[in-house]
Amino acid sequence: QQQVRQSPQSLTVWEGETAILNCSYENSAFDYFPWYQQFPGEGPALLISILSVSDKKEDGRFTIFFNKREKKLSLHIADSQPGDSATYFCAVSSGSWQLIFGSGTQLTVMP
Amino acid sequence: EAAVTQSPRNKVTVTGGNVTLSCRQTNSHNYMYWYRQDTGHGLRLIHYSYGAGNLQIGDVPDGYKATRTTQEDFFLLLELASPSQTSLYFCASSDSTGEQFFGPGTRLTVL
Repeated sequence: QQQVRQSPQSLTVWEGETAILNCSYENSAFDYFPWYQQFPGEGPALLISILSVSDKKEDGRFTIFFNKREKKLSLHIADSQPGDSATYFCAVSSGSWQLIFGSGTQLTVMP
Repeated sequence: EAAVTQSPRNKVTVTGGNVTLSCRQTNSHNYMYWYRQDTGHGLRLIHYSYGAGNLQIGDVPDGYKATRTTQEDFFLLLELASPSQTSLYFCASSDSTGEQFFGPGTRLTVL
């Protein structure tokens, strides 16, 4: 049973558009939600994260929206750039250092 | 200068072969992890450790052994490799705050 679901599996947007990546989870005990970005040939790297006590987290062009009641969150990438083309993983944790990852969304930004 | 390094970067072996993947971190982190990454499954935790000599079982441990010889070094062992273990393997490290730092990955092919 997948504890973390991501959609869509792949997404293509034009440069300048806002890309929206979705994530949902099963266990209401999860309280830490990081998003990792992975470029081809590299390992994932932390992009932005949010705790369950917040409903929004911004870092430049990247924003996480969090809905605790529905157990859903989304990553919005404003003014998308070709350099944002990567795979994005949503992950969850319940107060520990162990993360559970979703299957990822492959984002392509067309110039 | 990279904080998490892996070797080899690529490995080809035959069914039944013996393989050791190596990981070294210079972050002074207590926690280290081995993941496998497969299309459609994201990152799945194989084994992890919270210190030298410690080993914990992850979510997909079958067919894998691991050993943490020092704080810096974590090894993944496949003693009887099978084609189902063909994958991209990542090592990561973290402290107790949760952010994981990943290595560049090892691509393993079992023929």
